[in-house]
Amino acid sequence: RKEVEQDPGPFNVPEGATVAFNCTYSNSASQSFFWYRQDCRKEPKLLMSVYSSGNEDGRFTAQLNRASQYISLLIRDSKLSDSATYLCVVVFFSGNTPLVFGKGTRLSVIA
Amino acid sequence: GAGVSQSPRYKVAKRGQDVALRCDPISGHVSLFWYQQALGQGPEFLTYFQNEAQLDKSGLPSDRFFAERPEGSVSTLKIQRTQQEDSAVYLCASSLTGLTEAFFGQGTRLTVV
Repeated sequence: RKEVEQDPGPFNVPEGATVAFNCTYSNSASQSFFWYRQDCRKEPKLLMSVYSSGNEDGRFTAQLNRASQYISLLIRDSKLSDSATYLCVVVFFSGNTPLVFGKGTRLSVIA
Repeated sequence: GAGVSQSPRYKVAKRGQDVALRCDPISGHVSLFWYQQALGQGPEFLTYFQNEAQLDKSGLPSDRFFAERPEGSVSTLKIQRTQQEDSAVYLCASSLTGLTEAFFGQGTRLTVV
């Protein structure tokens, strides 16, 4: 069975803080991983892909731990504009539907 | 078009009415997904197409929900005899192969009154 689990939060952090989210997945037959960001009343948008070697984009760092079957997203120096819901997505080799979304983690950055 | 397009953006339906929601995926994208998102919740998977083949419809909540993609491009999600619990945003996403990132449309906000 393919499952993707996230802590729903909310994570309430002050501006400038560092915050990290984890996402666990249950099926080892997985190929690709992504983090999406969804603002209130908007559609999810791709934030970054997650590579085996890790991936950094400015204040955002994504990492993959295949042995423990989780991916993480680290946000440094949080900005008010980072407030959103962060969804992790796992692409599975097997099964009928390749893309499986987590339920999302809500982040609120407070001034 | 450059992105995934959904129509209508907003739909108000009276309980018992049938509705049809349209999704135009990115040109050339083989895979197409439909999701239902209630307010404050994450997207819930409904169904998945690879070209015109509906490979997975396990997420459709009842037999009132039906989706098709007859020519492997545009898809329609139909809901018959709408009920209040069907009120949600219906999101469509397309992916080049199904194994790469998916791109979402802006969604159709359905309100059943």
